[in-house]
Amino acid sequence: DQQVKQNSPSLSVQEGRISILNCDYTNSMFDYFLWYKKYPAEGPTFLISISSIKDKNEDGRFTVFLNKSAKHLSLHIVPSQPGDSAVYFCAASRTGSQGNLIFGKGTKLSVKP
Amino acid sequence: GAGVSQSPSNKVTEKGKDVELRCDPISGHTALYWYRQRLGQGLEFLIYFQGNSAPDKSGLPSDRFSAERTGESVSTLTIQRTQQEDSAVYLCASSLVTGTSGAQYFGPGTRLLVL
Repeated sequence: DQQVKQNSPSLSVQEGRISILNCDYTNSMFDYFLWYKKYPAEGPTFLISISSIKDKNEDGRFTVFLNKSAKHLSLHIVPSQPGDSAVYFCAASRTGSQGNLIFGKGTKLSVKP
Repeated sequence: GAGVSQSPSNKVTEKGKDVELRCDPISGHTALYWYRQRLGQGLEFLIYFQGNSAPDKSGLPSDRFSAERTGESVSTLTIQRTQQEDSAVYLCASSLVTGTSGAQYFGPGTRLLVL
């Protein structure tokens, strides 16, 4: 049973517009969430994270929103750029765990010029 | 600065052979993690090290898998008697601390193909 779900395998967005990537989780014990970006033949690259005590974290063009009651988080990229084209993974962990991350299956974002 | 490195980058082996995958974490990172990504799937946690110790090995898929870490640095993931279902990208990550306070930094992975 998947604890972290990314229901959209792919997303296509026009350059300059907003990209919204969604993630749902089932384990209410998760209290730390991260987004990673992955280019082909490379390892995932850490983008941004959020603790469950917050509902928003912003870093430049990237903003992560957390809705604990809905067990939902989203990553907003604005404005989107062609270089943002990659697979985006949502990950979660919980205090008291080993810090190991539970990953979703990823969403492939394509930003068209 | 040097990131996480892994070797080999690609490995093709025959079913039944043993393979060793190596990970060099970022210097000073005390925590080291191994993950596996099968085709079309998310990353699957295998094992983590705090220093040279692996407190919990329950994420390893079978007893054919083992891992060690020495000098609080290099780690080796060994797969004995490889099977075709072991084909995947094996990713190593390190972080400054364990637990939820440290973002994990990943290496490029080792692509393992078992024929």
